[in-house]
Amino acid sequence: QVTLKESGPVLVKPTETLTLTCTVSGFSLSNARMGVSWIRQPPGKALECLAHIFSNDEKSYTTSLKSRLTISKDTSKSQVVLTMTNMDPVDTATYYCARIAVTAMATRRGHFDYWGQGTLVTVSS
Amino acid sequence: DIQMTQSPSSLSASVRDRVTITCRASQSISSYLNWYQRKPGKAPKLLIYAASSLQSGVPSRFSGSGSGTDFTLTISSLQPEDFATYYCQQSFSTPPTFGQGTKLEIK
Repeated sequence: QVTLKESGPVLVKPTETLTLTCTVSGFSLSNARMGVSWIRQPPGKALECLAHIFSNDEKSYTTSLKSRLTISKDTSKSQVVLTMTNMDPVDTATYYCARIAVTAMATRRGHFDYWGQGTLVTVSS
Repeated sequence: DIQMTQSPSSLSASVRDRVTITCRASQSISSYLNWYQRKPGKAPKLLIYAASSLQSGVPSRFSGSGSGTDFTLTISSLQPEDFATYYCQQSFSTPPTFGQGTKLEIK
């Protein structure tokens, strides 16, 4: 059974760094046909993909937030970690991690076939 | 980034109705289009991938079609558990982008 579970603080202060952990089970982060993505949804706004990482440590970030984001993985712990620096109230959102099922290996294109429940992070002083 | 536009943004329908939701991409994405369902407090669920492939375990009343820039999600006979918010998402280019969602409500 594939599961993903997000963990991290529910409240951060402006300018602080957010660290979120996605703990996965039911598959290995070393599987070449899988990746993990972080996705967020601010209240009343659209879903936004922030970053993703694959088994070979290939990473990608959304352009607008690239300077603030770092994604990494610990395969032995089955964890993917996202850090976001310089948090602002506009970063208040539900943060999800999701598994990427790769259907085209050459291009890494795929779909999000399993998601975590999400964790609401509020940025406020 | 590729912009995804869904319509309508909300929809009222009755049980056993046939419902269609559309999604338009700002440029051609071939068939790299996925559909998700989300209910309050629950994780999003993949329904359709690659425009028309039904995810394992998803009821056959859900179907997807389209290619290029225009896509549709059809629910052939609405069931009570189908009232939720639906999102399309393109996986043609990085970053993947989502539509703004269509909220399906009970009439």
